[in-house]
Amino acid sequence: DVKVTQSSRYLVKRTGEKVFLECVQDMDHENMFWYRQDPGLGLRLIYFSYDVKMKEKGDIPEGYSVSREKKERFSLILESASTNQTSMYLCASSSIGTVNTEAFFGQGTRLTVV
Amino acid sequence: KQEVTQIPAALSVPEGENLVLNCSFTDSAIYNLQWFRQDPGKGLTSLLLIQSSQREQTSGRLNASLDKSSGRSTLYIAASQPGDSATYLCAVPFYNQGGKLIFGQGTELSVKP
Repeated sequence: DVKVTQSSRYLVKRTGEKVFLECVQDMDHENMFWYRQDPGLGLRLIYFSYDVKMKEKGDIPEGYSVSREKKERFSLILESASTNQTSMYLCASSSIGTVNTEAFFGQGTRLTVV
Repeated sequence: KQEVTQIPAALSVPEGENLVLNCSFTDSAIYNLQWFRQDPGKGLTSLLLIQSSQREQTSGRLNASLDKSSGRSTLYIAASQPGDSATYLCAVPFYNQGGKLIFGQGTELSVKP
């Protein structure tokens, strides 16, 4: 059974803290993604990575950075958490693009910044 | 620029009814289309992947169709059950950006007992 695992289901952090969200996949996928999901705004891509140490900005990268030191692990970093980063964060992975490429998601991390 | 739209935004039906969820996309040059289910506060679960060369894909009570030329996909749910209540999202990958998925806004389905 394929699996994408996010390190936390719920997190509460203080404004200004540095926050790490971790994601691990066991499918040997090349691509990994971080999305955030907010009511009325849908899913928005923050960053993605198509290989180890490679990253590309998505639609809303401001205030975030990422790290991919190993193929199976993709970390999202909030350099200095702010209240407007309170959201549901979703990690996904997929293989290199073909007609058979299917994306799989983790269970989500609900982050609250106070 | 690819845009994905889902109609309706919300749907409430009595248990046992057959129903159709709609997804439309503006650029027909797609590799595939994926349907997901999301329960409140949870991640996305992949339901069906339909390749660009396929017309239909079935899994249990779910049937997804794809018409690339008209830019439309439908998800048919037969004999709906209260456990089907969730938000359903469709998505297409954008391979010029590493397979980034472009999502519709979703249809929130409520099946009443």
